[in-house]
Amino acid sequence: GEDVEQSLFLSVREGDSSVINCTYTDSSSTYLYWYKQEPGAGLQLLTYIFSNMDMKQDQRLTVLLNKKDKHLSLRIADTQTGDSAIYFCAEANDYKLSFGAGTTVTVRA
Amino acid sequence: SAVISQKPSRDICQRGTSLTIQCQVDSQVTMMFWYRQQPGQSLTLIATANQGSEATYESGFVIDKFPISRPNLTFSTLTVSNMSPEDSSIYLCSVASTSSHEQYFGPGTRLTVT
Repeated sequence: GEDVEQSLFLSVREGDSSVINCTYTDSSSTYLYWYKQEPGAGLQLLTYIFSNMDMKQDQRLTVLLNKKDKHLSLRIADTQTGDSAIYFCAEANDYKLSFGAGTTVTVRA
Repeated sequence: SAVISQKPSRDICQRGTSLTIQCQVDSQVTMMFWYRQQPGQSLTLIATANQGSEATYESGFVIDKFPISRPNLTFSTLTVSNMSPEDSSIYLCSVASTSSHEQYFGPGTRLTVT
């Protein structure tokens, strides 16, 4: 079965870069996703990457994928207080998503 | 991107009763899913809502407990039947584009069973 793991907490200073890491086990995953969930809110799709790619950049967000090690990371440049949230990585198999437990990112002044 | 609405946004229900949650999408989509997010936890896939046929359930979820309808490409319902406090969760519908592979979630329905 699918198993996605993330570290649970990350504290970062405002203006620094945040790096959130994720590992997955399903080698047949086609796409991998990053979602953001703010308190009391739904899931916001941040970015996603095809499993044959190794990097994707979108404004302040950079996704790195090491398919050999099944390791995915999300880098947020110039982290702001509005980036404080829970970040979920997810792997897709036949469009069905398996989620990690979520990483709570706290941005401190 | 797809705009997804869910009704109700939240409800408090008594044990033993049932609640039907509606999901409406602003465009025709092929893939629709229902997920559950238990308090303080991650999301778990309940089932794939298939248009015009029975839903496909994941391990641990059964049709008698979570009947799903999908009469067309823009609408689906999930019923939580014979509720117990363990069913207290956020229930979210999602849609997937088979062309772009983007996947979007509705705002969720926060259910509390007392």
